[in-house]
Amino acid sequence: ERVMTQSPATLSVSPGERATLSCRASQSVGTNLAWYQQKPGQAPRLLIYDASTRATGIPARFGGSGSGTEFTLTISSLQSEDFAIYHCQQYNMWPLTFGGGTRVEI
Amino acid sequence: EVQLLDSGGGLVQPGGSLRLSCSASGFTFSSYAMSWVRQAPGKGLEWVSVISGSGTTTYYADSMRGRFTISRDNSKNTLYLEMNSLSAEDTALYSCAKGFGGNIWDPFDFWGQGTPVTVSS
Repeated sequence: ERVMTQSPATLSVSPGERATLSCRASQSVGTNLAWYQQKPGQAPRLLIYDASTRATGIPARFGGSGSGTEFTLTISSLQSEDFAIYHCQQYNMWPLTFGGGTRVEI
Repeated sequence: EVQLLDSGGGLVQPGGSLRLSCSASGFTFSSYAMSWVRQAPGKGLEWVSVISGSGTTTYYADSMRGRFTISRDNSKNTLYLEMNSLSAEDTALYSCAKGFGGNIWDPFDFWGQGTPVTVSS
């Protein structure tokens, strides 16, 4: 099983700042890595797939990078609506696995 | 507009069974793999199972294999999860999720709001 580890668990930032979230895989997942945003009481929203491709309708301030075992989600200039929990997920190998999430807060 | 409506959750005793449903609309249901994902209170997301669009291929998380069965009825645009031998560790919000592309392993572009399952005596 590919274990996905996200860091930090909580990221405190101010609106307008840059946020950098990390996701590490226990073994290579190639670029089969997705990022989701989840707000309280809401379903997750797909942000990034194939490690760096933005999903439909996702603003350009969200960027994904990385391959193999190290991945990064960057939010270039945080907006108030970006404060949420972010999950990474690998789809390179069964079972599909998620990271524990990073909470982005003010 | 894509809509996924989860239902069937509730309170069940340890060792009991439950059947969840996910009613889909707004897309060609049979063309997409569908998964169940759960989230225990205060925890992260955990993938449970996936079924191909045709229903012929399924995969399960290790801890659910043998206890859970995923199925679909494409004539009714409905996804199911039959859960047996439930324990407290299965307590979670269960959501169905649609694969966004043509592959069974694709990530999920739409999710249901979830149906809560509580296993307790």
